[in-house]
Amino acid sequence: DTGVSQDPRHKITKRGQNVTFRCDPISEHNRLYWYRQTLGQGPEFLTYFQNEAQLEKSRLLSDRFSAERPKGSFSTLEIQRTEQGDSAMYLCASSFGAWVEEKLFFGSGTQLSVL
Amino acid sequence: AQSVAQPEDQVNVAEGNPLTVKCTYSVSGNPYLFWYVQYPNRGLQFLLKYITGDNLVKGSYGFEAEFNKSQTSFHLKKPSALVSDSALYFCAVRDMMNDKIIFGKGTRLHILP
Repeated sequence: DTGVSQDPRHKITKRGQNVTFRCDPISEHNRLYWYRQTLGQGPEFLTYFQNEAQLEKSRLLSDRFSAERPKGSFSTLEIQRTEQGDSAMYLCASSFGAWVEEKLFFGSGTQLSVL
Repeated sequence: AQSVAQPEDQVNVAEGNPLTVKCTYSVSGNPYLFWYVQYPNRGLQFLLKYITGDNLVKGSYGFEAEFNKSQTSFHLKKPSALVSDSALYFCAVRDMMNDKIIFGKGTRLHILP
């Protein structure tokens, strides 16, 4: 499978714990995006990378959220001191090219449940 | 700020009938518009995009979308619906201030056999 891969598929954690998600984009894709989706809503932008550089981060993202993309390959999204409001589907997407008009390829997401 | 609105939470269409899923946009400058589809238990998939050129854009699975600048709309259409078209559809726009893609809240399409 050469699509966007996300791990784990599901994560259940207790409030206050830290969690980390991983995204492996399609290998030649230079752009990588993280979105969050809750039931009945569209994907909400969190952050995006071009190669290893984090170019944009949503103002909605608190300091508890951090993302990295070392060497411009896979990416990790960490949430520290999780809260019940963090429960959502976390989506990763990647694209290739110099222009953002290129289509996004999405992974199947990581479903986070904070108890 | 750039945004898209999908005024219908759900659309029901009989199989074989034409379908329309509505989207309106608010942007400064020329809009870059997209439609994505989300099937149950699967990731979002790209359907089509409008960047420039013909107002009627053709995409995957027989879908097309009509860009209307005067009405600031980008409605998704298909001449004859299939039961397999039942899914969640998202309209999206590029934020011209940066490179992020902003999604609408989605419209659930039910095709009735």
